[in-house]
Amino acid sequence: AQRVTQPEKLLSVFKGAPVELKCNYSYSGSPELFWYVQYSRQRLQLLLRHISRESIKGFTADLNKGETSFHLKKPFAQEEDSAMYYCALFGNEKLTFGTGTRLTIIP
Amino acid sequence: DTEVTQTPKHLVMGMTNKKSLKCEQHMGHRAMYWYKQKAKKPPELMFVYSYEKLSINESVPSRFSPECPNSSLLNLHLHALQPEDSALYLCASSRNRDRGNGEQFFGPGTRLTVL
Repeated sequence: AQRVTQPEKLLSVFKGAPVELKCNYSYSGSPELFWYVQYSRQRLQLLLRHISRESIKGFTADLNKGETSFHLKKPFAQEEDSAMYYCALFGNEKLTFGTGTRLTIIP
Repeated sequence: DTEVTQTPKHLVMGMTNKKSLKCEQHMGHRAMYWYKQKAKKPPELMFVYSYEKLSINESVPSRFSPECPNSSLLNLHLHALQPEDSALYLCASSRNRDRGNGEQFFGPGTRLTVL
């Protein structure tokens, strides 16, 4: 069975401060990890995928197979980063989401 | 067109009603999905269609009946639902079956209320 754990339901960070949203996973094969984001009144959308190793909106995430983690980071938070963030694992032909972290940026 | 559309946006139905949710995409995607999302919870997979064939049913009760008439359309037929089925129903699509199916494009959802 595959599982994704996001330990923080809520996270508040001051504008300009660093952000780290934690994600750990459990999967027996080679995982594909993603971060999805849902801004207020918008649809769920892909933010990052581990395969592309890109930076989107200043966010990066590195897959650490030893620690089975895929934490999302941004060095300087902006107010527009306030949203619901889901870590997700694609395996066994299914996308499994973590419980999500609601990030609030304090002006 | 790079969006997944869903109709209706909202639906209220009684437990004896029959209704359908509709999902459409014109991105040439060949995998389509139905998810159920309860308040303050993540989306939960219900069904996967690949090349218009049902490939995954996550033990969903038979009162939910999916249909994929063609590669652009996905329906979810609802009959004799229970109040606990009230939720946001999300449709998604992705490019192909093997690599890239973790990158899914979501619709805005249909907010369903069962009375």
